[in-house]
Amino acid sequence: DGGITQSPKYLFRKEGQNVTLSCEQNLNHDAMYWYRQDPGQGLRLIYYSQIVNDFQKGDIAEGYSVSREKKESFPLTVTSAQKNPTAFYLCASSPRLARRNTGELFFGEGSRLTVL
Amino acid sequence: AQSVTQLGSHVSVSEGALVLLRCNYSSSVPPYLFWYVQYPNQGLQLLLKYTSAATLVKGINGFEAEFKKSETSFHLTKPSAHMSDAAEYFCAVQGGKLIFGQGTELSVKP
Repeated sequence: DGGITQSPKYLFRKEGQNVTLSCEQNLNHDAMYWYRQDPGQGLRLIYYSQIVNDFQKGDIAEGYSVSREKKESFPLTVTSAQKNPTAFYLCASSPRLARRNTGELFFGEGSRLTVL
Repeated sequence: AQSVTQLGSHVSVSEGALVLLRCNYSSSVPPYLFWYVQYPNQGLQLLLKYTSAATLVKGINGFEAEFKKSETSFHLTKPSAHMSDAAEYFCAVQGGKLIFGQGTELSVKP
């Protein structure tokens, strides 16, 4: 089945460690996104990518990094510079990124990161 | 700039009662509007979307929403709540990127 796969689903990290969250899609979508979700704050955009080898900062990019070496993959690294990394992270994709497209996103099931 | 405001972070209804989740938007251009649902520890799933066709939009699981330009609203309704409707619901507006509201958690009492 086509979809978005995020791994791991749960992850624990010690303070000061970097951690990488995986996101893979087989929908042949051009655009991919990373969101952070905290209780009562909705979804906040971290990074997005329109095409391979190109990505843009979202609203809360500080302390995060991404890469887009393949169309199917958009991993997110939470670095030790992220001051409050405990959150639920969601990866999404869409056929393309355009200002007036229909905007529907397809989401993975999320990764919950807890910093100990 | 586009934005959405969801009124009420938590709504509780009895099984069989009407569900009404409120969303107001702000947009300088005709908006594309969406409702998504999220079950615990899962990703978001599209319920329905408005893209300037019919103002009454029907979605999955018996939900519908009405676009009212004069009220800048896009409220989500369902005539009769079911226990399986308990989830968090997000309103979103397309503004170059998808902008989400803060979410409304729906509880359904037996």
